[in-house]
Amino acid sequence: QKEVEQDPGPLSVPEGAIVSLNCTYSNSAFQYFMWYRQYSRKGPELLMYTYSSGNKEDGRFTAQVDKSSKYISLFIRDSQPSDSATYLCAMSSGAGGTSYGKLTFGQGTILTVHP
Amino acid sequence: KAGVTQTPRYLIKTRGQQVTLSCSPISGHRSVSWYQQTPGQGLQFLFEYFSETQRNKGNFPGRFSGRQFSNSRSEMNVSTLELGDSALYLCASSLGSASTYEQYFGPGTRLTVT
Repeated sequence: QKEVEQDPGPLSVPEGAIVSLNCTYSNSAFQYFMWYRQYSRKGPELLMYTYSSGNKEDGRFTAQVDKSSKYISLFIRDSQPSDSATYLCAMSSGAGGTSYGKLTFGQGTILTVHP
Repeated sequence: KAGVTQTPRYLIKTRGQQVTLSCSPISGHRSVSWYQQTPGQGLQFLFEYFSETQRNKGNFPGRFSGRQFSNSRSEMNVSTLELGDSALYLCASSLGSASTYEQYFGPGTRLTVT
């Protein structure tokens, strides 16, 4: 079983919809939770990160972490065709030892927002 | 501020050859991590360097190696290439020291092994 599970989709929504992307994880040592967006043939782009449990908002994006359930979410409000990409969740337990520089990724969810 | 750069962007190699990929981190970032991305396995961590020292390594064979220079630029090398090494190789930089979770990725090098 993978440490981080993410539904690969694909997910197709109309423009303006609210999108919900989710990941579950099994490693309780994870403390930092990141969301990346990757366009075709590009490197992943960091959207936002959250430390421990709670919510974080940045424009149309809201990240939620529920450590008790080992579940994280990314919500995209008023989705646009330019949001069409693969969304990757990533996690880290923080600095030290086998955590140095290592992010553990989900498989990614392919999102298409159609006009 | 310039982002992470990787060279070359595309490579085609033959089985048994070796390859060297280069990564220049964001100015001021001292930690460089390398990842392999394939459709089947997704993004997998290869290794991380900080101040010219490898601090962490993923579960890849010894054919995969790397190094970091005093200016924080990093290279990775794959020897005796196999068909299964075909992938997008990504490097990411972070400030380093304690905080390595906030990573910024380069565009990647797409390696095709024939």
